[in-house]
Amino acid sequence: ETGVTQTPRHLVMGMTNKKSLKCEQHLGHNAMYWYKQSAKKPLELMFVYSLEERVENNSVPSRFSPECPNSSHLFLHLHTLQPEDSALYLCASSQDRASGDTQYFGPGTRLTVL
Amino acid sequence: EDQVTQSPEALRLQEGESSSLNCSYTVSGLRGLFWYRQDPGKGPEFLFTLYSAGEEKEKERLKATLTKKESFLHITAPKPEDSATYLCAVQSYGDAGGTSYGKLTFGQGTILTVHP
Repeated sequence: ETGVTQTPRHLVMGMTNKKSLKCEQHLGHNAMYWYKQSAKKPLELMFVYSLEERVENNSVPSRFSPECPNSSHLFLHLHTLQPEDSALYLCASSQDRASGDTQYFGPGTRLTVL
Repeated sequence: EDQVTQSPEALRLQEGESSSLNCSYTVSGLRGLFWYRQDPGKGPEFLFTLYSAGEEKEKERLKATLTKKESFLHITAPKPEDSATYLCAVQSYGDAGGTSYGKLTFGQGTILTVHP
């Protein structure tokens, strides 16, 4: 595997379900990110991790819970989502988080909340 | 707050018809401006990073340029396989305290369609 991988690629869940999205980067980077891409909206940053430490983004609802067990893996735990949470969820990584380093994206998980 | 505006929203070209996409930005100190290409249902694919006004970068039929207020993505003699959404994003130095947490602010993108 190379670059940034994400699983699953597609996910359908009910509002009462709990699921997790997984991201793995094979680039040796120190920072990882979760973005949300909704239809006809720009990509929105959700969370940033740098060397496994989370940088808070206060605008994200608590039904989204990130986890970064090491510098190569990132999870997004989902619970009691709403239909408006349906979107493409993208993971990205960069060498460092705030020095203008390029962020490389994974293929995304297409989430549908029924 | 950082802002990015891309124009046009959509652009239809004939194969071989050169054109430019625009990205206007407002930031509190530019760390970098990034261009990505995104195909339907896929993640953004990195194209270029520009750091300072006057900088230019080229890759095949694409050339990106940067001024203090905007960036252009020039497409020379495009082919149908260049059809995609092109995204522009900026990373800034953040607030007056100089803190920044790696946030990229994206524009809404330009949907490019190249007809054979």
